[in-house]
Amino acid sequence: GENVEQHPSTLSVQEGDSAVIKCTYSDSASNYFPWYKQELGKGPQLIIDIRSNVGEKKDQRIAVTLNKTAKHFSLHITETQPEDSAVYFCAATPLLSGGSNYKLTFGKGTLLTVNP
Amino acid sequence: GAVVSQHPSWVICKSGTSVKIECRSLDFQATTMFWYRQFPKQSLMLMATSNEGSKATYEQGVEKDKFLINHASLTLSTLTVTSAHPEDSSFYICSASSWGLRETQYFGPGTRLLVL
Repeated sequence: GENVEQHPSTLSVQEGDSAVIKCTYSDSASNYFPWYKQELGKGPQLIIDIRSNVGEKKDQRIAVTLNKTAKHFSLHITETQPEDSAVYFCAATPLLSGGSNYKLTFGKGTLLTVNP
Repeated sequence: GAVVSQHPSWVICKSGTSVKIECRSLDFQATTMFWYRQFPKQSLMLMATSNEGSKATYEQGVEKDKFLINHASLTLSTLTVTSAHPEDSSFYICSASSWGLRETQYFGPGTRLLVL
């Protein structure tokens, strides 16, 4: 089965700096990679996702890059703000045909702290 | 769009009682719903996957008679923790995906269960 490794487990940055979180996956069949932000006591919120037919996707201050050859993908947050402080999870799943369910394999999470 | 709600947001019950948690997709039809469990400072652990009108598929190690899942409609799934014990205390989160974007899961806000 798929295995997703996420690093670092904790990340502390100053407001305005950039933050980068990296994930690697093991199953070459995986081709959908979402990122979730989870604030304390809340459910995960989808912030960005990427499919394997593109190498990079950007949405305002957030970007995700994907290297299928190396089997790794990264989340980039620029101009960080205190409200970006949360736990971030990466995940991976293969896009299967037919009626299969798409089970996500999650990384262990990164606690991002943005200091004012 | 893609809003998922859960009810209740928190519940305290006595050992031996049963607790039902509801998960609703508010603005889309959820062909598949997922139930997760999350321990403090840990990642999400998939408990089961349910398709509307079908029996749930449980992950290895999850007792199906302990955690009853019903997905009777395209907007509602329920998780019932039967004969709850203190070790069942946890944060339970559901997610939902639609037929059009089966790989994308939208999460509910979670339900905190405390069994005394």
